[in-house]
Amino acid sequence: GAGVSQTPSNKVTEKGKYVELRCDPISGHTALYWYRQSLGQGPEFLIYFQGTGAADDSGLPNDRFFAVRPEGSVSTLKIQRTERGDSAVYLCASSSTSESTDTQYFGPGTRLTVL
Amino acid sequence: GIQVEQSPPDLILQEGANSTLRCNFSDSVNNLQWFHQNPWGQLINLFYIPSGTKQNGRLSATTVATERYSLLYISSSQTTDSGVYFCAVEDSYSGAGSYQLTFGKGTKLSVIP
Repeated sequence: GAGVSQTPSNKVTEKGKYVELRCDPISGHTALYWYRQSLGQGPEFLIYFQGTGAADDSGLPNDRFFAVRPEGSVSTLKIQRTERGDSAVYLCASSSTSESTDTQYFGPGTRLTVL
Repeated sequence: GIQVEQSPPDLILQEGANSTLRCNFSDSVNNLQWFHQNPWGQLINLFYIPSGTKQNGRLSATTVATERYSLLYISSSQTTDSGVYFCAVEDSYSGAGSYQLTFGKGTKLSVIP
């Protein structure tokens, strides 16, 4: 079946603008994760959803970042008042249950550039 | 939080050569995964291996949890193996209900013909 999809693949915005990044997980996967990857680094955890609720948002860098998953499937990561330091690739992953033994499957990412 | 160190940071191989990539972690883990990030940025899961040994074709991995390290072996390397290899772990002591992965900085592999 289809893997994790993310839209848009690229987003260029100006400092101070608002952006939304979308993640469509693998069908039936209840767990969804957002990570951020800066150039030359490994991905860094942002937030984890189990179903509709954010079970762990400890990785969100500040209150400009917010994510929702209203129906337990598609998730949207929202960034307010973007800053140049927010430029990175934003990755979404999903897994079939909430068990730590489950493999996380990653989407292709959204490359965000803040000018 | 848990620290993950990968070595070497960069590796250049002639096609057909073998290699070993290492991942050291600072604390007990519930989950350890190896990923390959291809030149287009896609992360592909290679192994879920919190302990023991697994093999998949030319790739194999071994994790010695008691000594806090994991090894990824690539045999008969091909140009398509190029990319960045990441080790990622889930800390055993992370809060209840948290399954976040902590990634190392990766090993950048270049396989030349």
